[in-house]
Amino acid sequence: DAGVIQSPRHEVTEMGQEVTLRCKPISGHNSLFWYRQTMMRGLELLIYFNNNVPIDDSGMPEDRFSAKMPNASFSTLKIQPSEPRDSAVYFCASTESSGSYNEQFFGPGTRLTVL
Amino acid sequence: QKEVEQNSGPLSVPEGAIASLNCTYSDRGSQSFFWYRQYSGKSPELIMFIYSNGDKEDGRFTAQLNKASQYVSLLIRDSQPSDSATYLCAVRPSTGGFKTIFGAGTRLFVKA
Repeated sequence: DAGVIQSPRHEVTEMGQEVTLRCKPISGHNSLFWYRQTMMRGLELLIYFNNNVPIDDSGMPEDRFSAKMPNASFSTLKIQPSEPRDSAVYFCASTESSGSYNEQFFGPGTRLTVL
Repeated sequence: QKEVEQNSGPLSVPEGAIASLNCTYSDRGSQSFFWYRQYSGKSPELIMFIYSNGDKEDGRFTAQLNKASQYVSLLIRDSQPSDSATYLCAVRPSTGGFKTIFGAGTRLFVKA
């Protein structure tokens, strides 16, 4: 199994530009999570989906952030317009929600730098 | 008060010693507790989970849970330099679903 796949691995963009981060969860996993990690705030849950449906988006910072999961094998996190304070590592994770302890498997992350 | 609190460290221990990592949480109804390890520049990976009060052992790792004190800890016996990483405590709150709240992590250094 290839694990959780994220792209791009690194993204450098200028303030005001649109950024789209992509994630492919592990096949068979039906819950998907988007996290943001910074030195100051640690690992923050932005949003999670169960069976492609957004369940909790209370961690999404503001309207500039949006996430979609059009099917079981693909999700996007979009930032429009981007700001320097959005610079962080964004992780996608997936889990099989029918399990007893629901280990989350993390992707390698996307390091975003907004200039 | 943060939902999940950890001492950021760094915690430095000599090789072969016991490393003790601590975590407190605010939601008294939380039921599931996890320890993730994150090497520098890498993604978190699960090393332990615990649901019930008491101790749970897995190899050199022991997780301890005290729900009355809202406290969870991780002990690493016979620490090795390869254990040097950031350890993230994670809690699944009582609100249900699979939402997981992570602490900021404790950096551990094991000196050879």
